[in-house]
Order: sequence, then structure tokens, then C-alpha cells
Amino acid sequence: NAGVTQTPKFQVLKTGQSMTLQCAQDMNHNSMYWYRQDPGMGLRLIYYSASEGTTDKGEVPNGYNVSRLNKREFSLRLESAAPSQTSVYFCASSEGRGGQYFGPGTRLTVT
Amino acid sequence: LAKTTQPISMDSYEGQEVNITCSHNNIATNDYITWYQQFPSQGPRFIIQGYKTKVTNEVASLFIPADRKSSTLSLPRVSLSDTAVYYCLVGANAGNNRKLIWGLGTSLAVNP
Repeated sequence: NAGVTQTPKFQVLKTGQSMTLQCAQDMNHNSMYWYRQDPGMGLRLIYYSASEGTTDKGEVPNGYNVSRLNKREFSLRLESAAPSQTSVYFCASSEGRGGQYFGPGTRLTVT
Repeated sequence: LAKTTQPISMDSYEGQEVNITCSHNNIATNDYITWYQQFPSQGPRFIIQGYKTKVTNEVASLFIPADRKSSTLSLPRVSLSDTAVYYCLVGANAGNNRKLIWGLGTSLAVNP
């Protein structure tokens, strides 16, 4: 039982490049989330998916797109990376009103 | 917009009880209060969740007064391994139109 897994762990992009962050959970949770964490700003919700087939914007969705591929997988895409998107990205999942389970994070640097 | 406020940092010693308070004056009826622990280079880890009154599990207690405008995470007899950042989260973790308001975290340092 791996919980929530994220790939890659680290990534360096040049401005304008695109990439997809992958997330998978094996807990059969309906809800999945993407956050970014920046120093002094805490965790900010980018997008979430309440269930398979649905996605909704969070607090800071601009510059990102998501895909809920199936119940297990929820990906985050940066179409044209910008230095302001340098951050640590966390994926999480939850079921019902329960707490969220987080992945180990992806450290992204955009130069 | 709802805001979640918690102290930036706290210091304690091994064996002491630590109480971290979070203020959330604009909490909505459907909102739950959840606390997470985060170690460096790791994702946050769920500690405890509550709606009102008191909740206790094997690692912590959560006290929520009747007006629910604040909550207190209580860690009994802390050890060095409890040194971490603790986050308060207020929001509805179910349904659509989720507003999840995270505090900025309290950095707890437990000293020998």
C-alpha cells in the first residue's frame, strides 16, 4: 500500500517549457487535490477533483490544467512554465469528510 | 473571505504539553477543522479532525469551543521527534465548491 505517489521528485524547466506532474493513489479515494507550497505562503489549492470525471478550480488555478484520468490518477500540467511557478507541488487524496493524505511532493524550478 | 491564523512559531521542552491555537472567525457551518504535521521535505500528515467540542486520538486532542471561531491542538508530552510545522485547515472536505483555508503553519521546536 504505497498511499499517494508523485513523479517526478525534482524537475528543472526553462521558461516556456511544458511538463506534466503525475499523481496516483491506491486508497480508492474519490477526491484528489493539487497544491503548491511556497515559503511564507503556506499551502494553496490549485485544482481539486471531487470524483472521477470532475475537476474544479481552487485558489490559484491560473497557468495550470488538470486531468482526472481515472479514480487513481490526477495529473497537473504546466503548458508554458514561468519562474513564478517555481514551487513545491503536493498531490493529496481524501474520502468523504476525512483528512487528506499527501504525496512526497515535486520540487519544480523554472529558470 | 475566511482566514485562518496561527502563531508563527513556538518553543517547548521534552515532556511538556504543547497547545497550538488557530483562529478562524469566519468559519462556515459546513466547515471542519483539521490539523496536519509536516517535516522538512515531506508532505503534510493528517493528525486530527473535528467539528465541535473535543476530539482525542492516540497522538493529540483537539478542542473546539461552542462558537467554533478558534480551535486548539494539544500535544501531550512532546518529544524531540515532534519538532515540525503544524498546519490548521478549515474547510469542507466534501461536496463541490470546496474552500480549503490553510493557516501559514506554526513551527514547533522541542528542546531537550
